[in-house]
Amino acid sequence: EVQLVESGGGLVQPGGSLRLSCVASGFTSSNFWMHWVRQAPGEGLVWVSRIFSDGSSTSYADSVKGRVTISRDNAKNTLYLQMNSLRAEDTAVYYCARGLGARSSLDYWGQGTLVTVSS
Amino acid sequence: SYELTQPPSVSVSPGQTASITCSGDKLGNKYVCWYQQKPGQSPVLVIYEDNKRPSGIPERFSGSNSGNTATLTISGTQAMDEADYYCQAWDSTTAVFGGGTKLTVL
Repeated sequence: EVQLVESGGGLVQPGGSLRLSCVASGFTSSNFWMHWVRQAPGEGLVWVSRIFSDGSSTSYADSVKGRVTISRDNAKNTLYLQMNSLRAEDTAVYYCARGLGARSSLDYWGQGTLVTVSS
Repeated sequence: SYELTQPPSVSVSPGQTASITCSGDKLGNKYVCWYQQKPGQSPVLVIYEDNKRPSGIPERFSGSNSGNTATLTISGTQAMDEADYYCQAWDSTTAVFGGGTKLTVL
């Protein structure tokens, strides 16, 4: 069974940093693109970032570019999202999701981890 | 930046057909997928590559995409289909989601 389990969310002050993790199981994660998608409270889905199966290619939404870094450790089946210079508008549930190809759909999603940016 | 536009809400009676649209410039030239999200739950992929259903998704879910509009169609809508639905496409290396449509079954 494919499972994605996020962790690392919490309350952080504006300007602070946080690293999210997503542990994959039930499939060979090194064969797949992986993504982060966020959802602010009561709002819609917003794509954040993606990373190629071997980590050699990444892309980011304009809203987070320069403040966020996606990475992965395939030996640990773990995806990361390092978030710096956090703003109130970064408050959201962050989901990791699996993608079959470079521009494919996201076929499995984790349960999400809540990041709250507030003083 | 590329935008996808969905109606905020759609209502349908049980057993009837629901259609949810997603509009974008030359959207027919891109693959569109659709996600279902129920309150408090993670999104679930219900349609990919315009009109394909993942394993486990009921046949009543179908999709089409042509011109500037993609459509998710739910035939014989059931109460369990009440949810938010999001379309998604790729613009170069960026994934774009529509704003979401709340489907009410009443």
